[in-house]
Amino acid sequence: GAVVSQHPSRVICKSGTSVKIECRSLDFQATTMFWYRQFPKQSLMLMATSNEGSKATYEQGVEKDKFLINHASLTLSTLTVTSAHPEDSSFYICSATDPYYGYTFGSGTRLTVV
Amino acid sequence: QQQVKQSPQSLIVQKGGISIINCAYENTAFDYFPWYQQFPGKGPALLIAIRPDVSEKKEGRFTISFNKSAKQFSLHIMDSQPGDSATYFCAASRRGNNDMRFGAGTRLTVKP
Repeated sequence: GAVVSQHPSRVICKSGTSVKIECRSLDFQATTMFWYRQFPKQSLMLMATSNEGSKATYEQGVEKDKFLINHASLTLSTLTVTSAHPEDSSFYICSATDPYYGYTFGSGTRLTVV
Repeated sequence: QQQVKQSPQSLIVQKGGISIINCAYENTAFDYFPWYQQFPGKGPALLIAIRPDVSEKKEGRFTISFNKSAKQFSLHIMDSQPGDSATYFCAASRRGNNDMRFGAGTRLTVKP
């Protein structure tokens, strides 16, 4: 089946710094990737849709200057949390779609901003 | 708006029992209905999925029942085991459309 690799799995950063999270489709090409945020005991909240070679589409209420998304190739999308603050601490999950396998999720990144 | 409604929010079942989670959708254009299983600290993983041309799909202990007229589908876990304890999400999407809508999730606890 399809595999989506997400790194890092955990990251702790100081307030004010930026953090980059990578999402790679390992055995298929993904023209579209998605970034979600998940708070404890809650559902997945779609943050943005990442399209290869074009600008990401952000959901209402998500600051695009805060959460920078780059989808430079068919196998890699990155999410950069800029000037992170404690309220940005959360579990971030990416997913990629393939016509055959459908949605495949990464293993998630636990971000803690101290 | 919430296009997929999931219930219950949490569920406790004894080992060996049947776990049932229900979902209802609004958009009749949806034609793909997956269930995802998520363990703490991990990303969701596809468990089982169904398309509306069938009313039931079974894979091992997991069964999806689909009622197109009622716009409802459910997940049944037979002979529930403690290892099934996880959060389960239903979802719905439209063929050719990458936009998938998720339910709010159900925390399942299977007691030994």
